[in-house]
Amino acid sequence: IVLTQSPGTLSLSPGERATISCRASQSIRTHLAWYQQKPGQAPRLVIYGASNRATGVPDRFSGGVSGAVFTLTISRLEPEDFAVYYCQQYSSPPRTFGQGTKVYI
Amino acid sequence: QMQLVESGGGVVQPGGSLRLSCEASGFIFNKYGMHWVRQAPGKGPEWVALIWYDGSGQYYIDSVKGRFTISRDNSKNTLDLQMNNLGAEDTAVYYCAKDWAQATYYFDLWGQGTLVIVSS
Repeated sequence: IVLTQSPGTLSLSPGERATISCRASQSIRTHLAWYQQKPGQAPRLVIYGASNRATGVPDRFSGGVSGAVFTLTISRLEPEDFAVYYCQQYSSPPRTFGQGTKVYI
Repeated sequence: QMQLVESGGGVVQPGGSLRLSCEASGFIFNKYGMHWVRQAPGKGPEWVALIWYDGSGQYYIDSVKGRFTISRDNSKNTLDLQMNNLGAEDTAVYYCAKDWAQATYYFDLWGQGTLVIVSS
């Protein structure tokens, strides 16, 4: 299953809204997770089950789905939110990741 | 505090072998599936292998089947990855990662990673 993220990069300012999309090439139901990765760090789980926030994730992060397109929305960007975000499907083997979206200032 | 700490990375020649280890702490290790996930420079992550909570099942991405072996020691809270016949395509940061449950295949805790470089 191929996951296609868009856009590849997103230039925004603190306080603005960020919306990242992830399109799956086949049905994955709601078996999609989002991860945040900062330079030199491991990925961190943000969203699972398409819309469930992981433990400790602020409520400015939300996930949604419409058909085959999943979205990660950050309602008001904080300085610590600037990072690369990856979607991942865990519906069918091999479990795959998207190519990433870099959110930068 | 839940933590995963990897070790064992380094530079290895093509065709060589390397064994990675991961030490877990802060959670009940023997209740969770554990994975290895790798990330090549400038690329997205790639799931590599899963071992069930009790070690009874192991699963691999096709590209490493027959070359990599995942194992665990629940008495020591450790996870290993034996990598044989390494090629340039195996160059990556290797992360051990905790499954959210037993085999959901999404990962709620990651180590800091260990770098493997396959080069002559």
